[in-house]
Amino acid sequence: KNEVEQSPQNLTAQEGEFITINCSYSVGISALHWLQQHPGGGIVSLFMLSSGKKKHGRLIATINIQEKHSSLHITASHPRDSAVYICAVGSGGGADGLTFGKGTHLIIQP
Amino acid sequence: NAGVTQTPKFQVLKTGQSMTLQCAQDMNHNSMYWYRQDPGMGLRLIYYSASEGTTDKGEVPNGYNVSRLNKREFSLRLESAAPSQTSVYFCASSVRTGRSGANVLTFGAGSRLTVL
Repeated sequence: KNEVEQSPQNLTAQEGEFITINCSYSVGISALHWLQQHPGGGIVSLFMLSSGKKKHGRLIATINIQEKHSSLHITASHPRDSAVYICAVGSGGGADGLTFGKGTHLIIQP
Repeated sequence: NAGVTQTPKFQVLKTGQSMTLQCAQDMNHNSMYWYRQDPGMGLRLIYYSASEGTTDKGEVPNGYNVSRLNKREFSLRLESAAPSQTSVYFCASSVRTGRSGANVLTFGAGSRLTVL
């Protein structure tokens, strides 16, 4: 079973700061997902990546397959970015879902 | 386009009572999942259905049953609720994408269940 570790567990930053959230996993994967869970509880998929880098607006996700590590970056952070960010990994093409990290609780203060 | 719809959003049960969480998706996805989320833990898979007519156990299936009623609907039943089943439950669906076969998940809004 893949072990997924996220760091930090909690992060408080000021508006405008550059944010980095890290995810490490123990076993080779087919894809890695970054999810965002809003304070109200809903979960949204941000990125799915298996190599390299993806960018969407102020969010950037990178993955290093050799090091079994991924980072999620937020540029020019804003209070509306406050949420729990969850890393999840899939180990194959099966339909048995993903292994999830415990999440990083991000608070952006105005 | 509603995506994934879960009902109810909140439920309080007494130990031993039964209930069914309903989930429906309108995206024509083949795969559907039930997860539970507990404080300090990552989402854990309870059951999944790779396609209509099939269901399989996930990481934490004990105390639960599921039914894939048709392609759209996947229900989760607690036959005799226990306090350990107090949790937030998420239904999700996915479509296989890319050569790797990796799945992009769409989640429902969650159902908060308390068992007294």
